[in-house]
Amino acid sequence: DAMVIQNPRYQVTQFGKPVTLSCSQTLNHNVMYWYQQKSSQAPKLLFHYYDKDFNNEADTPDNFQSRRPNTSFCFLDIRSPGLGDAAMYLCATSRDPEYEQYFGPGTRLTVT
Amino acid sequence: GEDVEQSLFLSVREGDSSVINCTYTDSSSTYLYWYKQEPGAGLQLLTYIFSNMDMKQDQRLTVLLNKKDKHLSLRIADTQTGDSAIYFCAEGITGGGNKLTFGTGTQLKVEL
Repeated sequence: DAMVIQNPRYQVTQFGKPVTLSCSQTLNHNVMYWYQQKSSQAPKLLFHYYDKDFNNEADTPDNFQSRRPNTSFCFLDIRSPGLGDAAMYLCATSRDPEYEQYFGPGTRLTVT
Repeated sequence: GEDVEQSLFLSVREGDSSVINCTYTDSSSTYLYWYKQEPGAGLQLLTYIFSNMDMKQDQRLTVLLNKKDKHLSLRIADTQTGDSAIYFCAEGITGGGNKLTFGTGTQLKVEL
C-alpha cells in the first residue's frame, strides 16, 4: 500500500543534542510537510517542500531545519532541542498544493 | 489571522449519531477537511468538502457546510466504540501551499 512512513516512532534526545527525524513516502507526491503537535493541541505547520522549493513558516524557530534529498524522503533536523520542543512531529504529503494531505503516524520526541 | 474553533468534548452512546461542529473565520478557504486522530497516532483523513458545496455524504459520514455562517459539521451515523478519537477540522487555502489551519480538536467518547 502507498503510504507515509515516519522513523523512528519514538525518539529520546538530550537537551541540546541534535536530532533528525525521518519521513518517507511511496505516494510520489510533490509536496511534503512537517507539523509539530504539542500535547492536547492542534498540529502546527513548521514548513513544507514543494518539489525542491522550501517554504518556511514565519514563526518557525531557526532551530528547526529540513532537508529533502529526493522526492521520497524528507528530514526534520532540530539543531539544539530544548525541553519545549518535546512534541509529536507529523509528516504529511500531498500530490500538489491544492490537494488533500495524507499524514504519517508521527514521531513522538522526548527531550531529557 | 485564521481561527478555527471546535468544542472540546462530545460523549455519545453507541448506535447514536454524533455531530461535531466547527467554525472558521477565513472566507477564502477553498477546502475544509475532517481528520481523525487516535491516541498516539497520526491524522487520518476522513473526508473533505469543497467550499462551493453545502453537503457531502460518504458512508456513515455526512459533512454540512454553511458558508454564510462559516460553520462546518461532521455527522457520524450509528457511532461505534471504534469511532472514539479526537476529530480535527481544518481549513485549507490554495495558492499558498494549501496551508492547513487546524481546529482545536473535539474528543469524541463513545459509551456502551
